Amino acid sequence: NAGVTQTPKFQVLKTGQSMTLQCAQDMNHNSMYWYRQDPGMGLRLIYYSASEGTTDKGEVPNGYNVSRLNKREFSLRLESAAPSQTSVYFCASSDGTSIEQFFGPGTRLTVL
Amino acid sequence: GENVEQHPSTLSVQEGDSAVIKCTYSDSASNYFPWYKQELGKRPQLIIDIRSNVGEKKDQRIAVTLNKTAKHFSLHITETQPEDSAVYFCAARGSGAGSYQLTFGKGTKLSVIP
Repeated sequence: NAGVTQTPKFQVLKTGQSMTLQCAQDMNHNSMYWYRQDPGMGLRLIYYSASEGTTDKGEVPNGYNVSRLNKREFSLRLESAAPSQTSVYFCASSDGTSIEQFFGPGTRLTVL
Repeated sequence: GENVEQHPSTLSVQEGDSAVIKCTYSDSASNYFPWYKQELGKRPQLIIDIRSNVGEKKDQRIAVTLNKTAKHFSLHITETQPEDSAVYFCAARGSGAGSYQLTFGKGTKLSVIP
């Protein structure tokens, strides 16, 4: 099992560009999450998907959109990137039994 | 929504000493409290968790205690080793149904000095 995978690992964008961060899990989990991590701020929830076909806003959703493509995949889209979106982005997944969230390796995004 | 405060933000201990990290939460309905360890450049990984119906849980050198009345929980690491050096995050699962959302503290950078 690969667990939770994310692509790309690193990305540099210019202000105003768009991009999609991809996440996939092979653990048959129902719930998936996108977090951003900034120095001294911990992990903040951007969006989550409790189950296939549903998505909800987290603590910091502005400037982002998500798509739960199927049970395995959950993508995060930046339509018009801003320097304030420079961060490390983590995807995570969990199932209804254990609650534990398993994290992907992260995507380090820099917006110039 | 849930709010989690974590202290201290940095902690240095001598190898072999104990380390304690404390967190408080605001939502009295929260019922699940995990601790994650994140090494430099790596993903957060669960090291121990506790549910609201338990007061203490131990796993080798790591223990977590929960005081529901005071709404605080703590991570205790005994006999610290250099490989314990990392950033530790506490979290709480709020009362929202279905999605198991976690609210994280801002982290504690633990340095174990050989």
